[in-house]
Amino acid sequence: GDSVTQMEGPVTLSEEAFLTINCTYTATGYPSLFWYVQYPGEGLQLLLKATKADDKGSNKGFEATYRKETTSFHLEKGSVQVSDSAVYFCALWETSYDKVIFGPGTSLSVIP
Amino acid sequence: DVKVTQSSRYLVKRTGEKVFLECVQDMDHENMFWYRQDPGLGLRLIYFSYDVKMKEKGDIPEGYSVSREKKERFSLILESASTNQTSMYLCASSSGGYQPQHFGDGTRLSIL
Repeated sequence: GDSVTQMEGPVTLSEEAFLTINCTYTATGYPSLFWYVQYPGEGLQLLLKATKADDKGSNKGFEATYRKETTSFHLEKGSVQVSDSAVYFCALWETSYDKVIFGPGTSLSVIP
Repeated sequence: DVKVTQSSRYLVKRTGEKVFLECVQDMDHENMFWYRQDPGLGLRLIYFSYDVKMKEKGDIPEGYSVSREKKERFSLILESASTNQTSMYLCASSSGGYQPQHFGDGTRLSIL
């Protein structure tokens, strides 16, 4: 079945460091891809999305490009801030499955 | 702004009790979901609903039931609570398909 794999962390970075969180997926069709973020004590919220190959989603300085050839959707940010400390979830939705499948989440801690 | 409201942030119940978790959304969304979130296991889908009075089992429905009498409200019921149901419970809604899900802040449930 469909699945999402991502580095589990925890990841610890210094402020202003470059961030990459890897995400790869397995799907039988052409899924839409998402990154969600969960700040401490809160539910998940959508960070960005891409619905077809080569699309780039971006929001709040984060970016991810839908790479069909490598089945990947890596999350990047050029300069992280302490306020980016959170858990990040990669997810996919595919028509035939009609449910969202979440990865296990990657915990990020940014230290001053 | 979109809003998914879960009735309790923290809840403590006893083994064997019948427990109700309530979720209300104000976005007129067709689809609603219940997940549980556990360390190392990510998000697991318990039940979902695509319409009033309609429900579908997710990946881990055992020990749970749901009710959707009105479009905006989706209730999760633990028929006879057990300690292994201690978890964070997240409710979400969406307008369907590849549209992103909107999450509540979660209910942290402890079964003693």
